Amino acid sequence: QVQLVQSGAEVKKPGASVKVSCKASGYTFTGYYMHWVRQAPGQGFEWMGWINANSGGTDYAQKFQGRVTMTRDTSISTAYMELSRLRSEDTAVYYCVTGNGSGYWGQGTLVTVSS
Amino acid sequence: DIQMTQSPSSLSASVGDRVTITCRASQGISNYLAWFQQKPGKAPKSLIYAASSLQSGVPSKFSGSGSGTDFTLTISSLQPEDFATYYCQQYNRYPLTFGGGTKVEIK
Repeated sequence: QVQLVQSGAEVKKPGASVKVSCKASGYTFTGYYMHWVRQAPGQGFEWMGWINANSGGTDYAQKFQGRVTMTRDTSISTAYMELSRLRSEDTAVYYCVTGNGSGYWGQGTLVTVSS
Repeated sequence: DIQMTQSPSSLSASVGDRVTITCRASQGISNYLAWFQQKPGKAPKSLIYAASSLQSGVPSKFSGSGSGTDFTLTISSLQPEDFATYYCQQYNRYPLTFGGGTKVEIK
């Protein structure tokens, strides 16, 4: 069965960077795009961008351009999302998402930005 | 960006009730619409994609319909495990956008 297992919770100071990993199993990793979506506490969902797991090509939401970098390592079926210059408003749960119609979600990674 | 508007934002219903949630897109999205269920502290669970196709393993009490700008999610007979927040999402055009959610509570 398809599984996306994300790295653990992080606490960062404003201005720092965070890198979240998402290890995929149960399907051909390079066959699908991997999206990243975040959800601030008590809020809705915000799409951040995608990475083509085959080619490594990316497309980022305008809001995050210049601050987000999505990469992947096909040898270990893992995608990464790095967000830099963190601010308090970046406190959220970050999800990796893949599959037809966003069918599969990771368990989420809480990133807390606090001084 | 395509705006997704869900209604109602919350509803109270009893076990066994039939529940319908609507989602409206600010422009036509064909059938590129998904529905998710989220319980507190948990990741979303995908229910439906392509407006009306059930994800593998999702019970048939969930159904979706619509095309263009107007969509519905129906739960045919509400059960205790169905009390949750439901979201729609369009994937016709980037950026992907989500509805604000509908919280289904116990009456």
